[in-house]
Amino acid sequence: EAQVTQNPRYLITVTGKKLTVTCSQNMNHEYMSWYRQDPGLGLRQIYYSMNVEVTDKGDVPEGYKVSRKEKRNFPLILESPSPNQTSLYFCASSLLGRGDTQYFGPGTRLTVL
Amino acid sequence: AQTVTQSQPEMSVQEAETVTLSCTYDTSENNYYLFWYKQPPSRQMILVIRQEAYKQQNATENRFSVNFQKAAKSFSLKISDSQLGDTAMYFCAFMRITGTASKLTFGTGTRLQVTL
Repeated sequence: EAQVTQNPRYLITVTGKKLTVTCSQNMNHEYMSWYRQDPGLGLRQIYYSMNVEVTDKGDVPEGYKVSRKEKRNFPLILESPSPNQTSLYFCASSLLGRGDTQYFGPGTRLTVL
Repeated sequence: AQTVTQSQPEMSVQEAETVTLSCTYDTSENNYYLFWYKQPPSRQMILVIRQEAYKQQNATENRFSVNFQKAAKSFSLKISDSQLGDTAMYFCAFMRITGTASKLTFGTGTRLQVTL
């Protein structure tokens, strides 16, 4: 089954404790992206990647890091989480054609205390 | 920068009725794509419909159709014969094409409640 998976689905942590949210896709997509969803703000792009070792900032990259060492994986790293990073996070992937539909993972609910 | 506006934070419709969700966007681009995504209580983001800006014909997918007015920068979603399973948050999204990057910009969403 073609899918985007994220782990963990739920995470409660404390300020300053480094964490990684994993994202993996099995569709051989070149393009991968991370979004955060907050009430009243919709989804906002954090980082994206157009291929292995090619990443770039989205609209809200502060406090986040990413890496793309393999085509299928695109982890999101919070080196020192803060309460304002409490949010719902989505990973998405697509082919690198123009206008290709992005397929979303199930979401990760993160709470930083 | 592109912006997407959904002016209806919440809407309600009775089962079997028709409802229209509005979306406007602002861009100076001529070539782009527009999407409607559905987010049910499970939080999964599900593609509802996709429209290519250079196509004048409005996209349709079963009970879902759009009214795309390029000059007015309007992209509304019509749901016909509403069903209880249509209860969800609906997001309008704009995709700008820059080189090979495909950036999605989302609106703030419309929460739709389908009632008996």
